[in-house]
Amino acid sequence: GAVVSQHPSRVICKSGTSVKIECRSLDFQATTMFWYRQFPKQSLMLMATSNEGSKATYEQGVEKDKFLINHASLTLSTLTVTSAHPEDSSFYICSAPGQGGFNEQFFGPGTRLTVL
Amino acid sequence: AQRVTQPEKLLSVFKGAPVELKCNYSYSGSPELFWYVQYSRQRLQLLLRHISRESIKGFTADLNKGETSFHLKKPFAQEEDSAMYYCALRNSGNTPLVFGKGTRLSVIA
Repeated sequence: GAVVSQHPSRVICKSGTSVKIECRSLDFQATTMFWYRQFPKQSLMLMATSNEGSKATYEQGVEKDKFLINHASLTLSTLTVTSAHPEDSSFYICSAPGQGGFNEQFFGPGTRLTVL
Repeated sequence: AQRVTQPEKLLSVFKGAPVELKCNYSYSGSPELFWYVQYSRQRLQLLLRHISRESIKGFTADLNKGETSFHLKKPFAQEEDSAMYYCALRNSGNTPLVFGKGTRLSVIA
């Protein structure tokens, strides 16, 4: 099946710094990618839809200036958490629909962000 | 609004016992329903989709539109089934998934 990678897998940063998380589709192209956030022992919550060649679509309540999304190519989307604060600490997961009629979504392994 | 409800946070069963993970949804149209599984230290992966009506690893799930349910079942649980299970729906193709809160299945030897 198709593979989605994320980098880094884990990051610890100081409050006020910015952190960039990469999501790559390794063996297929993805014009759309999705970014989710998962708090401990809670479900995945959709943050935004990343669109190659156009602006991302953010879910209600998600600050677009804080969570910058750039879909740089057909295989890469980045999420930058700007001026991170401890409440931004979470597990961030990206996914991409594969090609073919079913469009199965393939998930990255996730990135654990800890803001001190 | 789209919503997926998994009423049980944790389900513990003995090896060989039947398993049923409940999932109910609310959606105004005809969504696609899925079950995803996340084993310890692994990424989320697709287990079942209602369109296929298939059995994977002994698991089945039937979409009941009248009850708006998509319960996951397995007649005989195995220890390797211990994992986090998420029910999810989407509108179509390239739209994002809406997840339930998940149920942790623990199969006891």
